[in-house]
Amino acid sequence: DAGITQSPRHKVTETGTPVTLRCHQTENHRYMYWYRQDPGHGLRLIHYSYGVKDTDKGEVSDGYSVSRSKTEDFLLTLESATSSQTSVYFCAISDLLEGSPLHFGNGTRLTVT
Amino acid sequence: GDSVTQMEGPVTLSEEAFLTINCTYTATGYPSLFWYVQYPGEGLQLLLKATKADDKGSNKGFEATYRKETTSFHLEKGSVQVSDSAVYFCALHKAPLVFGKGTRLSVIA
Repeated sequence: DAGITQSPRHKVTETGTPVTLRCHQTENHRYMYWYRQDPGHGLRLIHYSYGVKDTDKGEVSDGYSVSRSKTEDFLLTLESATSSQTSVYFCAISDLLEGSPLHFGNGTRLTVT
Repeated sequence: GDSVTQMEGPVTLSEEAFLTINCTYTATGYPSLFWYVQYPGEGLQLLLKATKADDKGSNKGFEATYRKETTSFHLEKGSVQVSDSAVYFCALHKAPLVFGKGTRLSVIA
């Protein structure tokens, strides 16, 4: 398995609180991604990174921010969590932007009450 | 824009039945196509891929052929097992990746 660790694996938080999810990789891949998975929607891209300090928005980026200060770490922050952000969040990595497969972490299940 | 359409599930089959999960795509150019599988409680894993027209990807008894003329990449398996129960995602490798919504497969003994 590709070396991808997501933390925490589960989190319950209250509406309005900030939340940070962490993705750590040991593969030295350039590209890192955050997706959310919801029933009926499949996987939707939140943000992705193409290098240290280089990030871009995906299709559902509102309410989320990201940071990548080191190659191996990609953080996803919900500045003020809302119930609509209850979801399973997946981190993925790849060594190319096109053509190479993504390797996924095991996900973080976030519940916002 | 680029998009992927998969047949909606859930799909329920008996063990040893033949499986087809349809996937069609809309894209500019000729991107690589992938099938991913997600087992319960896990992230997605690459199942197979095809990088150009008429390529056939295969793995674990699953196959899919990149059909440019029909813009399709249907997943097939001749004899499913209970252990194949999972969610299957078709994906288009553009920048960045475009996923279908997934098809849940349940195989009963």
